[in-house]
Amino acid sequence: GQNIDQPTEMTATEGAIVQINCTYQTSGFNGLFWYQQHAGEAPTFLSYNVLDGLEEKGRFSSFLSRSKGYSYLLLKELQMKDSASYLCAVEDYGQNFVFGPGTRLSVLP
Amino acid sequence: EPEVTQTPSHQVTQMGQEVILRCVPISNHLYFYWYRQILGQKVEFLVSFYNNEISEKSEIFDDQFSVERPDGSNFTLKIRSTKLEDSAMYFCASGDRAAEAFFGQGTRLTVV
Repeated sequence: GQNIDQPTEMTATEGAIVQINCTYQTSGFNGLFWYQQHAGEAPTFLSYNVLDGLEEKGRFSSFLSRSKGYSYLLLKELQMKDSASYLCAVEDYGQNFVFGPGTRLSVLP
Repeated sequence: EPEVTQTPSHQVTQMGQEVILRCVPISNHLYFYWYRQILGQKVEFLVSFYNNEISEKSEIFDDQFSVERPDGSNFTLKIRSTKLEDSAMYFCASGDRAAEAFFGQGTRLTVV
């Protein structure tokens, strides 16, 4: 079966660092994506991992371990505008995508 | 900055009617996708389209659904005989490679 797990909600303070975890069990694996989605808006692409290791892009980094079926998104120097849902998605085969339920992050002053 | 454009932003339709949701992908992109998101739920993949044909479709994408690229710019999702449970936000996305997709702002479909 296809399953992606993420924490439902997280809270962090402005300026802090937060790590959002994602575990997956899918029939195949062609890559893992992280998206940001503000309430009522479309998802915005953040990162893509296909090989093990860390991908860094500005304040955001994403890590993948294929053997563990595990990824995390690391957000540094949190800003109020980072309050959003963060979606983990796996391309399991071809171009078939499975999304997780999303993690709602609240950044407090 | 180029963006994916979807029309209409909101569509209300009666149960049993057909709807066509329209998308204009970013011009040089080759990969096109439709997703839906029922209010409060996760994003669900519907279909991917490459080289003018469907490359993958999910279990949700049954005979009620079809996609077309009627010309060089538009990409449409047709839902025949809509049901109440089809009410959702429908997102179109496009990418110039399979690894990245840019989403449109979505069409909110309400079936009454």
